[in-house]
Amino acid sequence: DIQMTQSPSSLSASVGDRVTITCRASQGISSYLAWYQQKPGKVPKLLIYAASTLQSGVPSRFSGSGSGTDFTLTISSLQPEDVATYYCQKYNSAPPLTFGGGTKVEIK
Amino acid sequence: EVQLVESGGGLVQPGGSLRLSCAASGFTSSSYSMNWVRQAPGKGLEWVSYISSSGSIIDYADSVEGRFTISRDNAKNSLYLQMNSLRAEDTAVYYCARLRGFSYGYADYWGQGTLVTVSS
Repeated sequence: DIQMTQSPSSLSASVGDRVTITCRASQGISSYLAWYQQKPGKVPKLLIYAASTLQSGVPSRFSGSGSGTDFTLTISSLQPEDVATYYCQKYNSAPPLTFGGGTKVEIK
Repeated sequence: EVQLVESGGGLVQPGGSLRLSCAASGFTSSSYSMNWVRQAPGKGLEWVSYISSSGSIIDYADSVEGRFTISRDNAKNSLYLQMNSLRAEDTAVYYCARLRGFSYGYADYWGQGTLVTVSS
């Protein structure tokens, strides 16, 4: 099975900071990668699919990049409403459609 | 408006069974693959099961293979998860999600979730 490893597992940054989250696949998955945001007590929300395509309605400060095994989610200017846990998920093949372990983002 | 509404969760004893349902509206459910994802209390997201739009392709996580059965009734716009031989580690909020895109697809809409608690 392909493993998805996210780093860091948590981070604390100031409002306005640039934040980068990494997701690494144990084998190549082309661009079949999605990023989700889950705010505390809420349902996961799709942010990015196909590694770099922004879902409709998602603020442009979010961006994704990468292909193959290494992927990045970037928040260009962290806002208070971005406090959440972020997950990557590969969807090129199943089973399983593995999620990364999550990255908890907090405001410093 | 796309809506997914799960039901059927609750408290069940170890070894027991539950059937979760997910009612879809606002889209033609027969055109989309669907999946179940769960989240144990305080833990991350765990993919559980996938079913293609026609129901011809089905996959399960190793942790539930042989105990859970996914199905769908496109005429009723409904998705199901039959859960048997439940264990304490199956305790979680279970989400149904619509999939779109190439290959298996990414989850663009999620239900609110239904809590399953396995405890004696």
